[in-house]
Amino acid sequence: QVQLVESGGGVVQPGRSLRLSCAASGFTFTNFGIHWIRQAPGKGLEWVALISQDGNIKDYADSVKGRFTISRDNSKNMVYLQVNSLRGDETAVYYCARVLLAGHFDHWGQGILVTVSS
Amino acid sequence: SSELTQDPAVSVALGQTVRITCQGDSLRSYYAGWYQQKPGQAPVLVIYGKNIRPSGIPDRFSGSSSGNTASLTITGAQAEDEADYYCNSRDSSGNHWVFGGGTKLTVL
Repeated sequence: QVQLVESGGGVVQPGRSLRLSCAASGFTFTNFGIHWIRQAPGKGLEWVALISQDGNIKDYADSVKGRFTISRDNSKNMVYLQVNSLRGDETAVYYCARVLLAGHFDHWGQGILVTVSS
Repeated sequence: SSELTQDPAVSVALGQTVRITCQGDSLRSYYAGWYQQKPGQAPVLVIYGKNIRPSGIPDRFSGSSSGNTASLTITGAQAEDEADYYCNSRDSSGNHWVFGGGTKLTVL
């Protein structure tokens, strides 16, 4: 079955960095784009970044552009999100999700909590 | 970018029909997807495209769209449908994605 498993979260001080990982299994990884979506405690969903099937297309929400970098390793079925210069308001559960051609997210990971705090 | 607007909260009596709406300019160009999220869980896609239900989603969930408004209808709401519901689509540029603010559904 399709599985996406995030890791790499934790407590980080403002201004510091973290690398989140998303391990995919149960499907042909190179057939799907992967996105990162986050949710602050008690708040709604916020789209963060996308990477295409071959990794050549990447894009970011304006709020993270220049600070976050998405990448993927198709030999390992992994997607990464390097998050730099974290801010206090970026405390959130970060989800990776598989995107359909229609542009909707049919499978999500369980999420990983990133807490930005001094 | 564009925004998607949802009512913050909606309630429905057990067994009755409820419609949750999502408004935004990008919905004139792109279909909405609808997600159900229960406390402590990841969102689950319940409707996407032109009223497509992923495998395992009950047929009481349906979707429709007109102009700049997409709707999720639950026909015969059940207690287990109580959850937050989010819509999403691409933004007007087609390069980014946006989510609505979410609707908290209470089943009375």
